[in-house]
Amino acid sequence: AQTVTQSQPEMSVQEAETVTLSCTYDTSENNYYLFWYKQPPSRQMILVIRQEAYKQQNATENRFSVNFQKAAKSFSLKISDSQLGDTAMYFCAFQTSGSRLTFGEGTQLTVNP
Amino acid sequence: DAGVTQSPTHLIKTRGQQVTLRCSPKSGHDTVSWYQQALGQGPQFIFQYYEEEERQRGNFPDRFSGHQFPNYSSELNVNALLLGDSALYLCASSLWQTYSNQPQHFGDGTRLSIL
Repeated sequence: AQTVTQSQPEMSVQEAETVTLSCTYDTSENNYYLFWYKQPPSRQMILVIRQEAYKQQNATENRFSVNFQKAAKSFSLKISDSQLGDTAMYFCAFQTSGSRLTFGEGTQLTVNP
Repeated sequence: DAGVTQSPTHLIKTRGQQVTLRCSPKSGHDTVSWYQQALGQGPQFIFQYYEEEERQRGNFPDRFSGHQFPNYSSELNVNALLLGDSALYLCASSLWQTYSNQPQHFGDGTRLSIL
C-alpha cells in the first residue's frame, strides 16, 4: 500500500517571500505520478503541479516548482513570490495506474501581508 | 465548458438514514472517482467507476455503494448512516487510462452532516 506523509500541519510566510512544503511517500511501484493540490476554503481541489516519476527534470509552473528526489521518495513544493491568494490547504498526492489518488494529511499555508 | 458538478452542496441527515449524492463529470471525461474528506484530513478514496462498473474500491464498508450511468454521471449511496460518515464528499472525473498522468478534476464537494 502506498502512503503519503506531510510532516508540516501548518506553515506561514510573508507576502512576496518563498516557502517550501515537504512531502514524502512510500511505494513499491516504479511507474507513478505525484501531484500537489490546493484546497482553499471554497473546498474545490485545484491542481497546482504534477510530476511523472520517470522524468528526472523537476516540474515548474510559474511560481510553483517541485524538488523530486526519487531515491529518497521526497516531493517538496516551492512557492516563490508568495501571494495572499496562495493561502490554502495544500495536499501532496500519489497516483498509480487507474487514477486512484492517495493523499497526505495536508499542510495549511497562510500568507501574511 | 462545465467542470465537475456535484449536488447537493450541503445535506443534513440523522443516524440510520440513507443518502444519495450526485456527480456529473467534466465534459469529455468517462471515469468518476469518489473521495471522503473528514474535517482536517486528506481525502480518502472510496471507489471508482468506469463503463458503469466499479473498477477500484478503497477501504470502505458495503454501506457505501455507487452507480454510474450511460452519460457517465455517478451517484454515491450511503446506507445506515453513522456519525462518523459526516464529511465532505468529493467527486473527481478523468479519462480512463492505465498509468495515466491525466489529472483528476474535482467538484466542489457535498458537505454531509449526520446528527
